Amino acid sequence: SQKIEQNSEALNIQEGKTATLTCNYTNYSPAYLQWYRQDPGRGPVFLLLIRENEKEKRKERLKVTFDTTLKQSLFHITASQPADSATYLCAPSRGSARQLTFGSGTQLTVLP
Amino acid sequence: GAGVSQSPSNKVTEKGKDVELRCDPISGHTALYWYRQRLGQGLEFLIYFQGNSAPDKSGLPSDRFSAERTGESVSTLTIQRTQQEDSAVYLCASSVSGDPSNQPQHFGDGTRLSIL
Repeated sequence: SQKIEQNSEALNIQEGKTATLTCNYTNYSPAYLQWYRQDPGRGPVFLLLIRENEKEKRKERLKVTFDTTLKQSLFHITASQPADSATYLCAPSRGSARQLTFGSGTQLTVLP
Repeated sequence: GAGVSQSPSNKVTEKGKDVELRCDPISGHTALYWYRQRLGQGLEFLIYFQGNSAPDKSGLPSDRFSAERTGESVSTLTIQRTQQEDSAVYLCASSVSGDPSNQPQHFGDGTRLSIL
């Protein structure tokens, strides 16, 4: 069955450093991969979508890579700030999927 | 409204009671989703509505759960004879028409349901 794994442990980093979050998937070949941010008590917020033919995508301080050979996406936040502290969710999906399946998320804390 | 609106934001009820949760999607969004999120866990897909097509109910955990949507507007999720394991945050999301795998989903802040 399809399986999505994100960093199993919470991630703590120092302000100003680059945070790198991992999303690994097995038993399927997604055409798209989405990343969301979720703050406590709030719904997830869409951040980025990357397609299988795109190796990398950037948005401001965010960068996502998508390696279909390794079956992995990396999510980077450069020059991290305490306001970046949140849980980050990945959601790989095939084309024409009728639902998104989300990973369980990685809790990121950026320490001042 | 500007975003997805869910009500109530919190609901506490006794085991065995029925509850109804409401979702107002973003105007013009034809796709609507319900998810369940248990404490400290990921999102669990429940049901998907797309326009006038038959809904995808494959994620509903039991026949105590049902959902309806009126046209391309409001949706309600009903849980009958609630059980303690139903305690969770129920999240609603909407997206524009098309393939949901490549459309960003816009989430509400959820209804936190507590079954005593």
